[in-house]
Amino acid sequence: SQQGEEDPQALSIQEGENATMNCSYKTSINNLQWYRQNSGRGLVHLILIRSNEREKHSGRLRVTLDTSKKSSSLLITASRAADTASYFCATDGAGNMLTFGGGTRLMVKP
Amino acid sequence: DTAVSQTPKYLVTQMGNDKSIKCEQNLGHDTMYWYKQDSKKFLKIMFSYNNKELIINETVPNRFSPKSPDKAHLNLHINSLELGDSAVYFCASSQVSDGLSDLQYFGAGTRLSVL
Repeated sequence: SQQGEEDPQALSIQEGENATMNCSYKTSINNLQWYRQNSGRGLVHLILIRSNEREKHSGRLRVTLDTSKKSSSLLITASRAADTASYFCATDGAGNMLTFGGGTRLMVKP
Repeated sequence: DTAVSQTPKYLVTQMGNDKSIKCEQNLGHDTMYWYKQDSKKFLKIMFSYNNKELIINETVPNRFSPKSPDKAHLNLHINSLELGDSAVYFCASSQVSDGLSDLQYFGAGTRLSVL
């Protein structure tokens, strides 16, 4: 079974708008990570947030973590067409193995 | 230089064959992983391996076995391939400090098609 569940499954916005993706998980974690996957490509890491952190920024990306609600969100501000991709959250487990959610497919229209 | 490289990129083979996928990382990481991504894009961990410990996801059939000749390599061997093994397989690596993992670096994937 999957630890993380992303919401929404698909999101379509106009260039310049903000995109928010949510992730919920079930068990306690050490950290939560967000990854991006362009069509037909490998995964690229975006941000890692540890369980004792509440918010983290990287460029146009902002990640929040609420451990009491077992949820996280990824905000992409001022989106660009190049941000079109699938975004996955992942939580760490035994052996540092990641359990991924089903992903959010983001389409940014020029 | 590619941080995590996998070969081959594409692999087409017949049911029942045995095949291997190679993975190498030049990041000096101490832990490597194999993931499987199915046609619906769900990613599932298969193995985690460092020089001390192999951890296997219990749902992985024993036809799959990782082999690590050294710290920079983790190859995936698959015996008696089945149609359901068709997927994209990703290798990844990370550095683990005090039991906590950092972000993982992924290879470009190997698309396996079993006919």
